[in-house]
Amino acid sequence: DQQVKQNSPSLSVQEGRISILNCDYTNSMFDYFLWYKKYPAEGPTFLISISSIKDKNEDGRFTVFLNKSAKHLSLHIVPSQPGDSAVYFCAASANNDMRFGAGTRLTVKP
Amino acid sequence: DSGVTQTPKHLITATGQRVTLRCSPRSGDLSVYWYQQSLDQGLQFLIQYYNGEERAKGNILERFSAQQFPDLHSELNLSSLELGDSALYFCASSLQPNTGELFFGEGSRLTVL
Repeated sequence: DQQVKQNSPSLSVQEGRISILNCDYTNSMFDYFLWYKKYPAEGPTFLISISSIKDKNEDGRFTVFLNKSAKHLSLHIVPSQPGDSAVYFCAASANNDMRFGAGTRLTVKP
Repeated sequence: DSGVTQTPKHLITATGQRVTLRCSPRSGDLSVYWYQQSLDQGLQFLIQYYNGEERAKGNILERFSAQQFPDLHSELNLSSLELGDSALYFCASSLQPNTGELFFGEGSRLTVL
């Protein structure tokens, strides 16, 4: 069951522009949401998170927005850099497990 | 370096065989998670342990089993292997269950021929 969905398998943006990655979830019990970044041949690494009691969390160039009524979250990267090129996984957790989306491959072109 | 160690990094075996993947969590982390990533698929949650006890189960097949030992390392056993079991298997750890941030190992790539 796909409780966390990332409907865009890939995204390409120009360096310096904004990257927006989207994620939808179905389980209203999720209370913590995270974004992970994965480079080839490496494990995913934590990027940014947001609790369900907030609607925005910012960390440098990265901002995560949560819309609970729409069960939607997004990751904004501004400005995008070539080094941001990676696969980004959205994750949501509740109780004792964390569910991941299928990932979106971001390519930032110089 | 996340501090999570997985062995082996690569493993090639035949259908019907059994393999064991090993994970050493970050020092001090009590919770261990196993995920499977098939080609172009997301991370499928398999199972979670906390301090030796099973805490949550995801889409883990009956042919697969796992355990967490007193020293907190974990093993994932895959038996009666099928071609479709070929995937990257990731282990992750965290200090407490459901704290949000997981620290992932580099994965074990299993190829079943």
